[in-house]
Amino acid sequence: EIVMTQSPATLSVSPGERATLSCRASQSVSSNLAWYQQKPGQAPRLLIYGASTRATGIPARFRGSGSGTQFTLTISSLQSEDFVVYYCQQYNNWPLSFGGGTKVEIK
Amino acid sequence: QVQLEESGGGLVKPGGSLRLSCGASGFTFSEYYMTWIRQAPGKGLEWVSYVSTSGTSTNYADSVKGRFTISRDNAKNSLYLEMDSLRAEDTAVYYCVRTMVVLTATLPSYYFDYWGQGTLVTVSS
Repeated sequence: EIVMTQSPATLSVSPGERATLSCRASQSVSSNLAWYQQKPGQAPRLLIYGASTRATGIPARFRGSGSGTQFTLTISSLQSEDFVVYYCQQYNNWPLSFGGGTKVEIK
Repeated sequence: QVQLEESGGGLVKPGGSLRLSCGASGFTFSEYYMTWIRQAPGKGLEWVSYVSTSGTSTNYADSVKGRFTISRDNAKNSLYLEMDSLRAEDTAVYYCVRTMVVLTATLPSYYFDYWGQGTLVTVSS
């Protein structure tokens, strides 16, 4: 099973600044990597698939990059609604697996 | 717009059974794989099961294999999860999720583009 490790667990950033979230796979997942955002009390929302393709309606300030075992979600100019939890998911191998999440909090 | 609405969650004793339902609208339900994903309180996401467009192909996480059964009724735009022999560790919010199929180098695989709001299943005596 591929283990997805997200770091840091909590990221403190000031509004308007950039956030950089990391996701590492225990073995290569090619570009078969998705990112999700989850607000408190809500279901996750797809942000990025294919490691770098934004989903429908996702603002351009969300950018995904990476391939193989190392991936990054960059959120430029953080807005108030961005201070929530983010998960990565690999879909290159079965079983599908999610990272443990990164919580972005206001500094 | 795409809408997914789960129902059927609740409190059940260990060893008991529960049937979750999910009603879909805003898209051609029969054209999409569907998946159940769960999230234990305060925890991360865990894939549970998927079903193919026709319902003939299914797969389950090892943690639920032999106890849970996924099914769908395309005529009713509905997805189901029959859960038997429930355990305390099955306590979670269960999400009904529209599934995108990707052809990887080895097997088809999936990511998830629309999620319902979830239904809470609590297994406790």
